[in-house]
Amino acid sequence: GNSVTQMEGPVTLSEEAFLTINCTYTATGYPSLFWYVQYPGEGLQLLLKATKADDKGSNKGFEATYRKETTSFHLEKGSVQVSDSAVYFCALSERGYSTLTFGKGTMLLVSP
Amino acid sequence: EAQVTQNPRYLITVTGKKLTVTCSQNMNHEYMSWYRQDPGLGLRQIYYSMNVEVTDKGDVPEGYKVSRKEKRNFPLILESPSPNQTSLYFCASSLSIQGGGYEQYFGPGTRLTVT
Repeated sequence: GNSVTQMEGPVTLSEEAFLTINCTYTATGYPSLFWYVQYPGEGLQLLLKATKADDKGSNKGFEATYRKETTSFHLEKGSVQVSDSAVYFCALSERGYSTLTFGKGTMLLVSP
Repeated sequence: EAQVTQNPRYLITVTGKKLTVTCSQNMNHEYMSWYRQDPGLGLRQIYYSMNVEVTDKGDVPEGYKVSRKEKRNFPLILESPSPNQTSLYFCASSLSIQGGGYEQYFGPGTRLTVT
C-alpha cells in the first residue's frame, strides 16, 4: 500500500534560519505530491503541490521538488519567520484514486 | 468564497448520546471525506464519498456513519459515541487535478469530547 514518512518533530529554529523537512513516500503507481500546513487552531491548507517527476512546487517562499529516483519531496525555505510556526503534512494522491495518504506531520517552532 | 464549513466547531457530549457533525461545501466537488486527527497518529480517513449516494469506508470507520443525499453535504454521524472517539475531526472536499490525483480542501475542524 501507499505510505508517507516524515521526519519527526518538533523542529525548532531561530528566525531567518534555513528549513528542511524531509518527506519520503512509497506508492504503487505514479502519485501527485502535496505539502499541507496547519496553523494552530485551524484546518489544513494546501501549501504546494507537484504532479510529475522533477516538478518544483512553490508558495510563500517554500519549495519542494518531486524526486522520483529517491521517492522524496522535501520541503525547504531559505529564511523562516515566526509566523511559519505550524504543523506541516506531506501527502500523496495516486492517479485515478481520490484518497489522500498523509504523513504524521512535523511541527515547526520558530523563535524570534 | 469557496469553502468547506463544519458545525459545530466544538462539542462536548456524553457516552451514548447520538450526535451529527455537519459538513457542507460550495465548490461543486464530487468527492468528500472525513478524517480524524489524533496526537502521534496524524490524519486518518474515516469515510469518503465519490458522489451522491456513493460512500465507502476509510481506514477507521468503526463507530461512525455517513450519508450523501446531496452533493454539497456530507454529515458524520456517531450513533453511540464513546470516549475513544474524542478527537479533532476534519471534513474535506476534493478536486481532481491535471496530472492525476486529487487536491483536497479542508474545513476548519470540529473538536469533539466524549465523557
